[in-house]
Amino acid sequence: AQRVTQPEKLLSVFKGAPVELKCNYSYSGSPELFWYVQYSRQRLQLLLRHISRESIKGFTADLNKGETSFHLKKPFAQEEDSAMYYCALGGGGATNKLIFGTGTLLAVQP
Amino acid sequence: NAGVTQTPKFRVLKTGQSMTLLCAQDMNHEYMYWYRQDPGMGLRLIHYSVGEGTTAKGEVPDGYNVSRLKKQNFLLGLESAAPSQTSVYFCASTKTGNTEAFFGQGTRLTVV
Repeated sequence: AQRVTQPEKLLSVFKGAPVELKCNYSYSGSPELFWYVQYSRQRLQLLLRHISRESIKGFTADLNKGETSFHLKKPFAQEEDSAMYYCALGGGGATNKLIFGTGTLLAVQP
Repeated sequence: NAGVTQTPKFRVLKTGQSMTLLCAQDMNHEYMYWYRQDPGMGLRLIHYSVGEGTTAKGEVPDGYNVSRLKKQNFLLGLESAAPSQTSVYFCASTKTGNTEAFFGQGTRLTVV
């Protein structure tokens, strides 16, 4: 079964500290993975997708097929990074559906 | 470029009332989706559509109906609202061959 697991509901760090938001997936095939971010009361927006292998707003994420993980990292957190982060798995096929994890709320304290 | 637009942004319903949420996209995307967002549950897929005139059930379809009469619009209906349907509803769209989803701004629905 296709599944995305984000084990932490809340991650609280101080400004300048490193951040790692965990994401594990279950998928029998070649996964397509994304991180979406939702700032307070705004729409979800794409932060990263694994195939682009780029850094956005200082965040990076590496797909580890051996550990079935796609953790989101940033070396130095900023207060403006405070938001809800969702890991998502592209199910592929004819439906183009995305399967979302339960989300992690990142709170960056001053 | 509006992207994905949802109407209304907020609504309060009494138990048993009906309503329709409208999602409109101007990106000529083939696929459209309705999700609900609840604390601790993430986003769960209600219904989706792979093209004009077609709809299919997602993970939590009970109590909802949808229609896709035009490619750019995807309607979500609640025939008889229940307090369990209190949630934030998001519409999203994707284009063929690209799983990147574009989201609307959300509709905050409260059923009392």
